[in-house]
Amino acid sequence: KAGVTQTPRYLIKTRGQQVTLSCSPISGHRSVSWYQQTPGQGLQFLFEYFSETQRNKGNFPGRFSGRQFSNSRSEMNVSTLELGDSALYLCASSLGGLNEQFFGPGTRLTVL
Amino acid sequence: TQLLEQSPQFLSIQEGENLTVYCNSSSVFSSLQWYRQEPGEGPVLLVTVVTGGEVKKLKRLTFQFGDARKDSSLHITAAQPGDTGLYLCAGDANNAGNMLTFGGGTRLMVKP
Repeated sequence: KAGVTQTPRYLIKTRGQQVTLSCSPISGHRSVSWYQQTPGQGLQFLFEYFSETQRNKGNFPGRFSGRQFSNSRSEMNVSTLELGDSALYLCASSLGGLNEQFFGPGTRLTVL
Repeated sequence: TQLLEQSPQFLSIQEGENLTVYCNSSSVFSSLQWYRQEPGEGPVLLVTVVTGGEVKKLKRLTFQFGDARKDSSLHITAAQPGDTGLYLCAGDANNAGNMLTFGGGTRLMVKP
């Protein structure tokens, strides 16, 4: 069974640009959650999608958005990039409910 | 906002030594999870504890959930170089399993 895949693995952008990250969950998983990991703030929850609907949202500005497609694949978008958006962005998939979340390897975003 | 404080932040020990990592909060969590993350990879779930006072063992790792479900500890016996990594505790903020609040992490290095 293939694990969670994230593309791209590495990305370099400049301030003011926008970026889209992709996450393909484990087959059969309908819940996809996104997290931001930085050395200063650690791992912080961004949002969670289940069956194409955003169910939970963390405390991030509106520049951070996401969506989920009918095949459960998810994308997150960050507009008007800031230097502080440099981070490892992780997605995790699960069957939903209290089931275990499986994390992907992350996308390392660097904003110059 | 529910916060999880992890200590110590860094730990460097010799192979064969024992260690304990702590995860504390002023909030009650319905469940608490421990993850291990290696460079270039996403966190991997080690254990989930759900009952106050619960103790779970995974080979040389012992996990405990506090009676009041506000704190947890991870004890490693006879640490090995393969235990090196970032250990993260995470609490279930809304009892839905998909919106985790993470501690700051403990970076463990076990020297041979």
